[in-house]
Amino acid sequence: AQTVTQSQPEMSVQEAETVTLSCTYDTSESDYYLFWYKQPPSRQMILVIRQEAYKQQNATENRFSVNFQKAAKSFSLKISDSQLGDAAMYFCAYRTGITSGTYKYIFGTGTRLKVLA
Amino acid sequence: DVKVTQSSRYLVKRTGEKVFLECVQDMDHENMFWYRQDPGLGLRLIYFSYDVKMKEKGDIPEGYSVSREKKERFSLILESASTNQTSMYLCASLNAGEAFFGQGTRLTVV
Repeated sequence: AQTVTQSQPEMSVQEAETVTLSCTYDTSESDYYLFWYKQPPSRQMILVIRQEAYKQQNATENRFSVNFQKAAKSFSLKISDSQLGDAAMYFCAYRTGITSGTYKYIFGTGTRLKVLA
Repeated sequence: DVKVTQSSRYLVKRTGEKVFLECVQDMDHENMFWYRQDPGLGLRLIYFSYDVKMKEKGDIPEGYSVSREKKERFSLILESASTNQTSMYLCASLNAGEAFFGQGTRLTVV
């Protein structure tokens, strides 16, 4: 069974600085999707970034980028130029079912990010 | 704009009550999920459905059931609410590339 591990329950970063959130996963599948979701105090889950496992190039969305190491099964999120609005809970997620068509998302335990002014 | 709507943001129920949590999506997605979110445990999958009237157990289905009579609606049912089911419940609707979430229902069982 697939698992997703986030080993940092909480992180802090100074405004305008860079922070990296860690995520590792375990799977026997060769093709899958990985995601980072953000959950602010409003509780609404927001997709931050997505990575397809077959793509070697790391995904980037504005100030957010990932370091995807498929062999090491590692998927970290880098937030550059941190802003107060980045403060939230961040969840790493793995999506199974590429071949079966029956999608299933597995989430890590989350990392709470605090941004200090 | 895609939308997943959960019927309540906050709910307080008594032990032993039958509780219905409703979720509606307007994206014509086939896949819908119910998760439970607890501090330090992340999101845990309760049940999911990949088609009307189809359902599959997730990782923590005990004490819960689901209903999917129409494609757009996926209901989570607590047959006899207990205090250990006090939690945040999140509904999600999925396409191939992304999961869309409702705003969550914080359920308190007293």
